Amino acid sequence: AQKITQTQPGMFVQEKEAVTLDCTYDTSDPSYGLFWYKQPSSGEMIFLIYQGSYDQQNATEGRYSLNFQKARKSANLVISASQLGDSAMYFCAMREGNTGTASKLTFGTGTRLQVTL
Amino acid sequence: ETGVTQSPTHLIKTRGQQVTLRCSSQSGHNTVSWYQQALGQGPQFIFQYYREEENGRGNFPPRFSGLQFPNYSSELNVNALELDDSALYLCASSWGQGRTDTQYFGPGTRLTVL
Repeated sequence: AQKITQTQPGMFVQEKEAVTLDCTYDTSDPSYGLFWYKQPSSGEMIFLIYQGSYDQQNATEGRYSLNFQKARKSANLVISASQLGDSAMYFCAMREGNTGTASKLTFGTGTRLQVTL
Repeated sequence: ETGVTQSPTHLIKTRGQQVTLRCSSQSGHNTVSWYQQALGQGPQFIFQYYREEENGRGNFPPRFSGLQFPNYSSELNVNALELDDSALYLCASSWGQGRTDTQYFGPGTRLTVL
């Protein structure tokens, strides 16, 4: 089974509008971290936002917020007031494991976001 | 504060050759992870080093090996290159190895195997 599922291969949004990128995950570990990264065409993976499995509130970072629904195992990224520079590939990732052991990031297949005028 | 850097940015090799990719961690970070990203896919975990010891490995053959140095910089070595090794190789560093530790990525090295 896929650990991280991103069902939207591509999305379009108009400048200044909000957009939601979907992510569902699968784990039996009660303790995990969820991350969103942005990858422009240059290739660098840019960290956007983090949500811990025990966090009571949804994470926010500027225009980015994470809609965390633990029971549904979903961690959707919301980008408000989209800008042309937001056009990129977006990856959802999960990190499992106990403190003190190696804990790799498992990535989804990504969603390509295109912001239009 | 200096971010994660990688060298070289691009590399072309032929099948059977060996390659070494380098990564300089973000200041203060003691953990480095390497990922392989094939075209159109998400990154796949290769291995992780914590304080100079390999402490986790993904589903990659032994011809993928690495080192972490006392200054926490790192190398990824790939022997007997195959065509399928063509990919973007990403290095990421973090304060620690735990699930809450954010990994910060470098710009990547794009390897082409002919």
